[in-house]
Amino acid sequence: NAGVTQTPKFQVLKTGQSMTLQCAQDMNHEYMSWYRQDPGMGLRLIHYSVGAGITDQGEVPNGYNVSRSTTEDFPLRLLSAAPSQTSVYFCASSYAASSDTQYFGPGTRLTVL
Amino acid sequence: KQEVTQIPAALSVPEGENLVLNCSFTDSAIYNLQWFRQDPGKGLTSLLLIQSSQREQTSGRLNASLDKSSGRSTLYIAASQPGDSATYLCAVGGGADGLTFGKGTHLIIQP
Repeated sequence: NAGVTQTPKFQVLKTGQSMTLQCAQDMNHEYMSWYRQDPGMGLRLIHYSVGAGITDQGEVPNGYNVSRSTTEDFPLRLLSAAPSQTSVYFCASSYAASSDTQYFGPGTRLTVL
Repeated sequence: KQEVTQIPAALSVPEGENLVLNCSFTDSAIYNLQWFRQDPGKGLTSLLLIQSSQREQTSGRLNASLDKSSGRSTLYIAASQPGDSATYLCAVGGGADGLTFGKGTHLIIQP
């Protein structure tokens, strides 16, 4: 099993550009989520999904979109990048809800100029 | 809103010492508490998961306890080794809407 994979590992964007951060898992997990990690702020939940076709907002959803068309994939879209979205983004998955052991991907380091 | 605090923010100890990392949370209505390890530039690795009905969990040299009523958890590391150097994160689970994380304890084990 590859576990949770994320691409790209690093990305630099200009303000206003859009992009999609990819996340995939091969463990047949129903629950997937996206977090951002900022210095001094800890990890904060952006969006989550309890299964294919179902998504919901977390603590900091503004400026991000998600969709879940398959169990395996949970892409995160930045619609119009802003410097405030400079962060490290982590995708996580678990068998069911957040009450199960969470498996994290290696992260994507995003810089918005 | 749930808030998670970890003390200390940083800790440096000589190899071989036993140590305790602390985590506190404000809302006792949690499903579970998880301890993670994060190495520099890497993702998070789950160390221990304690369900709300449990008092402690053990894995090797690690032991985590949970006291829901007082909103506290501790992670005990026995016989610390340089390879234990990392940031340790505590997170509480409230159900489907994700985990609430503390800011972590940066641990350095001196050889």
